[in-house]
This record gives sequence, structure tokens and C-alpha cells, in this order.
Amino acid sequence: DTGVSQDPRHKITKRGQNVTFRCDPISEHNRLYWYRQTLGQGPEFLTYFQNEAQLEKSRLLSDRFSAERPKGSFSTLEIQRTEQGDSAMYLCASSSQGEAGNTIYFGEGSWLTVV
Amino acid sequence: LAKTTQPISMDSYEGQEVNITCSHNNIATNDYITWYQQFPSQGPRFIIQGYKTKVTNEVASLFIPADRKSSTLSLPRVSLSDTAVYYCLVGDIEVYNNNDMRFGAGTRLTVKP
Repeated sequence: DTGVSQDPRHKITKRGQNVTFRCDPISEHNRLYWYRQTLGQGPEFLTYFQNEAQLEKSRLLSDRFSAERPKGSFSTLEIQRTEQGDSAMYLCASSSQGEAGNTIYFGEGSWLTVV
Repeated sequence: LAKTTQPISMDSYEGQEVNITCSHNNIATNDYITWYQQFPSQGPRFIIQGYKTKVTNEVASLFIPADRKSSTLSLPRVSLSDTAVYYCLVGDIEVYNNNDMRFGAGTRLTVKP
């Protein structure tokens, strides 16, 4: 399977703990995106990378959220001091710059439950 | 920013053709129109993308009128497995910013036997 891969698929954590999600994009894609989705809502954009550069992060929900893509390949999304309101599905997606239409391909998501 | 408007929900029956229309009055010259399908607890899945006129693939057709202010996703002969949320997105072909590829609430399609 050469699609976008996310890990873990499910995470249950206690309030106040830190969690980290990993995303492996489609191998030839240089753009990587993180979204958050809550029940009944469409995905909400958080941040995106072009290669290793984080070109947009103003939509990260708070300073507890951070993302990295150190070598321009996989990316991590970390949430520090989790709160119950952080419970959601976190989606990673990737695309190839220059591809007509900039089609974005999504992973299966990582579900976070904060108890 | 090309905001999109879609019906919140639609019902259909197996074997019927379903057309979901999306309005995007402020579409820009470089914007493409992309449709995604999402099943519960899964990431959105790319269905089809177009710029103008008609695009067809093995899954669906996309009709875009000359003014590009709307688009219609057509699903032929739907089955129960087509029950999902369908999102219409409009975005620039080269430049991504935090306003592009913004998802609305989508259209919840329910296919009945």
C-alpha cells in the first residue's frame, strides 16, 4: 500500500498527557497537511509543509499543538497537555506540488480520545 | 476564497443516479474543483477533479458549466455502499494557503434499499 499512512490509528490518553501522531506521506509527494475532524464536521485545516518547511501554521489550535517534518519525509503532530476538547480524528494528507489541481490524498486518520 | 455551498443531506434508492450540486460563486481563474467521499471513521477519499466542462472516471462524472460558478457530481446507479458524506472543494492549482481546500460540512448521502 503506497497511500498516506498514519500511526497510531487510535489513542486513548489521560488529560494532561502529551501525545504524538506520525504521518508517512505518499513517497513522491512534497506537500504534507494536517487536519482535525470532529463528529459531524468537515476536516479543519491545521498546518502544512512543503518539503521540510512549515509554510502555514497559524491555524494550529493553540501553542499546545506543534508539527514537524524534519527531513521532508514523514511528519509528526504533537499535542501537549491534552484536554478533553482535543478528542477528535487527526488526518494527515499529502500532495505533489506542480500536479495540476494539487489533488490532496488523505490517510485513514488517527483517533484521539482524551479521558 | 471560493466558498462552497452544498445541500446538507440527500436521500436516494439503490440503482438511481444521484446528482449533488455545489455552488462556488467566487471561484478564481486558477481554481480547480475537487470532490471527496468520506465514510465514518475514515479519511476523505478523492473521487474526481475538474476545471471546466465535463470530467468522467470509473466512479463518477463532474459537470461544470461555462461560468464555473457551480458544479455537479453525478453518481450513476448508486448502491448502499455509496452512503457517505461528499465534500466539494475549490482550490488553486499551484498555490496552497490556509484558505484553500477548506472543507464545509459536506452532503450526507443516504442510499436506501
